[in-house]
Amino acid sequence: NAGVTQTPKFRILKIGQSMTLQCTQDMNHNYMYWYRQDPGMGLKLIYYSVGAGITDKGEVPNGYNVSRSTTEDFPLRLELAAPSQTSVYFCASSTGTSGGNEQFFGPGTRLTVL
Amino acid sequence: QKEVEQNSGPLSVPEGAIASLNCTYSDRGSQSFFWYRQYSGKSPELIMFIYSNGDKEDGRFTAQLNKASQYVSLLIRDSQPSDSATYLCAVKDGNKLVFGAGTILRVKS
Repeated sequence: NAGVTQTPKFRILKIGQSMTLQCTQDMNHNYMYWYRQDPGMGLKLIYYSVGAGITDKGEVPNGYNVSRSTTEDFPLRLELAAPSQTSVYFCASSTGTSGGNEQFFGPGTRLTVL
Repeated sequence: QKEVEQNSGPLSVPEGAIASLNCTYSDRGSQSFFWYRQYSGKSPELIMFIYSNGDKEDGRFTAQLNKASQYVSLLIRDSQPSDSATYLCAVKDGNKLVFGAGTILRVKS
């Protein structure tokens, strides 16, 4: 059981470039989430999904897009990268059952936009 | 949008002491609360969660809820240098979690 995996681990982008951050989970979780974490700022929710084909915006969705075609994968697309998108990005998943809703996190992608 | 507030710290405690971490939440109707630990450069990992119906103890960790004052506490007994990390408090909001900014804990040996 690999849990939640993310690729790449590190990436440097130039302003205006685009990229996709990959996230895969093998726990058959319905719910998946994308967060960004800036220094000292905690986790901010970008997008989330409650199942294949269903996505919804979080607190900071501008500049990002997502898709959820399978239960396992939840890629995050950055279009026209800006320095403000320099951050650490975490993907997480959970069963989504009422009550606990424990979220399991991937190792993160450290993105720098120059 | 629910809000969660935490003192950023750092909170410094000597080895063997009790570390007390707090967070306040804005929505009086909140019912599920989570504490995550995050080591520097690593991803968050769940320590424990509690519901609005009571406190919870797990080994050296105790989570307590004060509904009247709308805050959640995490107590770490017999603190160890390995407990040095950032502790994130989160509140369940529908299908999502709302996180605080975290409190840095430093345990001095």
